[in-house]
Amino acid sequence: AQRVTQPEKLLSVFKGAPVELKCNYSYSGSPELFWYVQYSRQRLQLLLRHISRESIKGFTADLNKGETSFHLKKPFAQEEDSAMYYCALTRAGNMLTFGGGTRLMVKP
Amino acid sequence: GAGVSQSPRYKVAKRGQDVALRCDPISGHVSLFWYQQALGQGPEFLTYFQNEAQLDKSGLPSDRFFAERPEGSVSTLKIQRTQQEDSAVYLCASNYDLNTEAFFGQGTRLTVV
Repeated sequence: AQRVTQPEKLLSVFKGAPVELKCNYSYSGSPELFWYVQYSRQRLQLLLRHISRESIKGFTADLNKGETSFHLKKPFAQEEDSAMYYCALTRAGNMLTFGGGTRLMVKP
Repeated sequence: GAGVSQSPRYKVAKRGQDVALRCDPISGHVSLFWYQQALGQGPEFLTYFQNEAQLDKSGLPSDRFFAERPEGSVSTLKIQRTQQEDSAVYLCASNYDLNTEAFFGQGTRLTVV
């Protein structure tokens, strides 16, 4: 069975500090990994996906198949990054399996 | 439309009442998914449609849950004889096709009292 684990419910950092939101997954195969973000009072939206290898809003995530991880990183956090972040995986374009989410709070 | 639209945004139901939640996907999107998000948790898959065909309903928690998409566009999630454990946010998402980005609605927050 596929599973996504986000060990931190809450991550609090100061503005300008580096951020790493952890995500580990279990899946026997080659899943596609995503990070979704939900800003306050907004809908869930895609932040980035591993196959695109993009940097979005300064965030990057590298798929580490050996450690089955897909951690989200940003070198310098901004206050507007405060949001709920969900790691998710899918196989063959089918339904998403989400982690429990991490609330990122960036303090001024 | 501008995005995936869900209605109502909020629904309070008495235990035992039937409810119907509506999802209007983005026009032309073939795939439609329903998810249930309990408080403090991530969304969990309920069911999936490709056009009007319900291809996967393995996530529906009981036979009180029923979903349909009769014309391959608007979808309705129906919950019969609601229970307190059904209280959650119900999210709808649509994709143009598989392997493309999923766009989410704002969700319907159901509270069963």
